[in-house]
Amino acid sequence: DTGVSQNPRHKITKRGQNVTFRCDPISEHNRLYWYRQTLGQGPEFLTYFQNEAQLEKSRLLSDRFSAERPKGSFSTLEIQRTEQGDSAMYLCASSRVTGGYTEAFFGQGTRLTVV
Amino acid sequence: GEDVEQSLFLSVREGDSSVINCTYTDSSSTYLYWYKQEPGAGLQLLTYIFSNMDMKQDQRLTVLLNKKDKHLSLRIADTQTGDSAIYFCAETGGTSYGKLTFGQGTILTVHP
Repeated sequence: DTGVSQNPRHKITKRGQNVTFRCDPISEHNRLYWYRQTLGQGPEFLTYFQNEAQLEKSRLLSDRFSAERPKGSFSTLEIQRTEQGDSAMYLCASSRVTGGYTEAFFGQGTRLTVV
Repeated sequence: GEDVEQSLFLSVREGDSSVINCTYTDSSSTYLYWYKQEPGAGLQLLTYIFSNMDMKQDQRLTVLLNKKDKHLSLRIADTQTGDSAIYFCAETGGTSYGKLTFGQGTILTVHP
């Protein structure tokens, strides 16, 4: 098991372009989360999947953002018509359903720069 | 709403103890966590504490929880230069599915 994998690690795009990021969680983990981290801040929750169902979306996730987890395995996060304010580190995490305690394992993130 | 606050910077000498503090507002938090982030790396879970505990010790790490004051601290004994990183406090609030609310992080610098 290689942990949570995110691709690409870095992405530079021009304003107005669409970008898509991929997250491969730990294989037996049925929960998957996306977070966004800007410089000098802690990660902020964006959205959460249990298996293939998207169960919560933050109000930070504008209409330009869409996330999918089609077969309950990998997930994609797409940003349409990127803006400079979208520049951030996008982190994916996964965890397994347990009785109470949740240990979320994070990937190394995708750093997006919108120019 | 949920809010987690931390002091931004801490500088210590190698071998000293470090204490990183955190306050949170959500009284329904059941678990509270400490994560470490090194440059270019993802977040690494260091330790966690259940809300009905006052203290948890794990090797060089000691977590203290004052639930009445909603105050959490992480003490690192015998701090090493390799401990230099950003430390995040996080809580799950009343959610049962592990959604985390993070503080803005404390940058720990360890001087030789």
